[in-house]
Amino acid sequence: KAGVTQTPRYLIKTRGQQVTLSCSPISGHRSVSWYQQTPGQGLQFLFEYFSETQRNKGNFPGRFSGRQFSNSRSEMNVSTLELGDSALYLCASSLRAGGGTDTQYFGPGTRLTVL
Amino acid sequence: DAKTTQPTSMDCAEGRAANLPCNHSTISGNEYVYWYRQIHSQGPQYIIHGLKNNETNEMASLIITEDRKSSTLILPHATLRDTAVYYCIVKTDSWGKLQFGAGTQVVVTP
Repeated sequence: KAGVTQTPRYLIKTRGQQVTLSCSPISGHRSVSWYQQTPGQGLQFLFEYFSETQRNKGNFPGRFSGRQFSNSRSEMNVSTLELGDSALYLCASSLRAGGGTDTQYFGPGTRLTVL
Repeated sequence: DAKTTQPTSMDCAEGRAANLPCNHSTISGNEYVYWYRQIHSQGPQYIIHGLKNNETNEMASLIITEDRKSSTLILPHATLRDTAVYYCIVKTDSWGKLQFGAGTQVVVTP
């Protein structure tokens, strides 16, 4: 079974621009979570989507947004990019079948550089 | 979710067992212990998880103390490819994020 895929893998943008990152979950997985990883802050949770609805949100400004489509694929958008948004953006998918625990599986990430 | 404490770093000789400790003294009854690892600049890789019983899979074993306040991840025969940052995370089953700490940098040497 194919793993979580993220596109693009690398991205260079300039301050003030906006960017859209894409994530395709493992087949059959219904939940997608997004994380940001920076050297200073480590891995931080952005948001989780399930059934096209945001279920949980981390402590990030409104410039960070996301959505999930009916096929469970997800996109996240960052508007008005700042230098501090340079990071590895990770997507994780999970089954969310209900009952018991739920394991998240991560994609390879998108490396965003803001100049 | 409860917080975890892990050593900052540890070295291990290739072929030997690596025992990675994790303290989670405030863990609640419905919280699971998860282990992930991250090889440089790659996405975190799921290793194993458990609630109160010891668990084993093809990658590792997880030993949870009876009071559940600490656990140990065991890599039975470490290889150079096991060099990574290992994260111990405590998580409930509810909607929620994985709260990553700083983890343990494990370096496997020949």
